Amino acid sequence: AQSVTQPDIHITVSEGASLELRCNYSYGATPYLFWYVQSPGQGLQLLLKYFSGDTLVQGIKGFEAEFKRSQSSFNLRKPSVHWSDAAEYFCAVEGEYGNKLVFGAGTILRVKS
Amino acid sequence: ETGVTQSPTHLIKTRGQQVTLRCSSQSGHNTVSWYQQALGQGPQFIFQYYREEENGRGNFPPRFSGLQFPNYSSELNVNALELDDSALYLCASSRSQTGVNEQFFGPGTRLTVL
Repeated sequence: AQSVTQPDIHITVSEGASLELRCNYSYGATPYLFWYVQSPGQGLQLLLKYFSGDTLVQGIKGFEAEFKRSQSSFNLRKPSVHWSDAAEYFCAVEGEYGNKLVFGAGTILRVKS
Repeated sequence: ETGVTQSPTHLIKTRGQQVTLRCSSQSGHNTVSWYQQALGQGPQFIFQYYREEENGRGNFPPRFSGLQFPNYSSELNVNALELDDSALYLCASSRSQTGVNEQFFGPGTRLTVL
């Protein structure tokens, strides 16, 4: 069965500093991978997705992620964090039913000024 | 273009009661998926509806049921509510049931079971 691990429950970074959120997945075939962001009281917004091709994908709000098959990872990065990036971030892999998403437990990002 | 909407925003029920949550999909989308997000956890897939038929189900008991209507809106029904059913229920719509289509999420319905 598919699974997603986000090792970091909380991360705190200073505004302007770089960010990397970790994601490891378990899936037998070529995965479809996603990063979503959730602000308090809000639904999920898609930041970026990987289906195939270039392993470095660009998303909205200046985020990017790199797919590394050998490490079963899909880490999210941003070179310079803004206070408005404070939110919870979820990594997800498409499940066996097609369009079913299997989510990690999330990483809460705090940004200090 | 109207996004995914859900109603109600918040709901309080007691154990043993039944609840119906509603979701209107985004224009042009024929697939609706429902997720349960317990506090401090990631969303968990409940089931998906495609063209009014259930198209995949997660590890949830039969007291979780759903419907999709000809206009592609959807309902999630939960019978015999338990305390552990307290969660944020998210609805997502997409253009089809295949994974290459992005799922657009609604703001969710916060259900509290007392």
